[in-house]
Amino acid sequence: EAQVTQNPRYLITVTGKKLTVTCSQNMNHEYMSWYRQDPGLGLRQIYYSMNVEVTDKGDVPEGYKVSRKEKRNFPLILESPSPNQTSLYFCASSSPGGRDEQFFGPGTRLTVL
Amino acid sequence: GENVEQHPSTLSVQEGDSAVIKCTYSDSASNYFPWYKQELGKRPQLIIDIRSNVGEKKDQRIAVTLNKTAKHFSLHITETQPEDSAVYFCAAPFYGQNFVFGPGTRLSVLP
Repeated sequence: EAQVTQNPRYLITVTGKKLTVTCSQNMNHEYMSWYRQDPGLGLRQIYYSMNVEVTDKGDVPEGYKVSRKEKRNFPLILESPSPNQTSLYFCASSSPGGRDEQFFGPGTRLTVL
Repeated sequence: GENVEQHPSTLSVQEGDSAVIKCTYSDSASNYFPWYKQELGKRPQLIIDIRSNVGEKKDQRIAVTLNKTAKHFSLHITETQPEDSAVYFCAAPFYGQNFVFGPGTRLSVLP
């Protein structure tokens, strides 16, 4: 089954404790992206990747890191989480260039205390 | 920065009526315009998209129109049904593949 998976689905953590949210897709997509969703603000792009070892900042990259060492995986890293990073996070993947349907993962609800 | 505006933020219609949601974008180089539907507690899913070389695209009860000169595109849902109740997002790419989404429209279809 073609899908995008994220782990964990729910996470409660404390300020400053490094965490990683994993994202994996099995559709051989070149393009992958991370979004955060906050009430009234829609989906805001954090980082995106056009292919292995190619990443670029979206609209709200501060406080986040990503890596793309393999085509299927695109982890999101929060080195020192803060309460303003409490949000719902979605990973998505798409065929080349992103100008096609983006398939979203199930979401990760993160709470930073 | 680049911006996508979406209106209205909430929309209530009677079952069977039509619903229209409009988005405007700022980058004249944008050439791909998707619409996503997000049901409560679920992930966004593409319902229709349009590329800049066409002015209109239709898929059963859903249609999207694009006006590149005015830099706006609209989602049209006809014969609305209760299962159409959801939040709808438009999006546009900027500087290549940086996607900016609109803030969303909460559609309620009243029986």
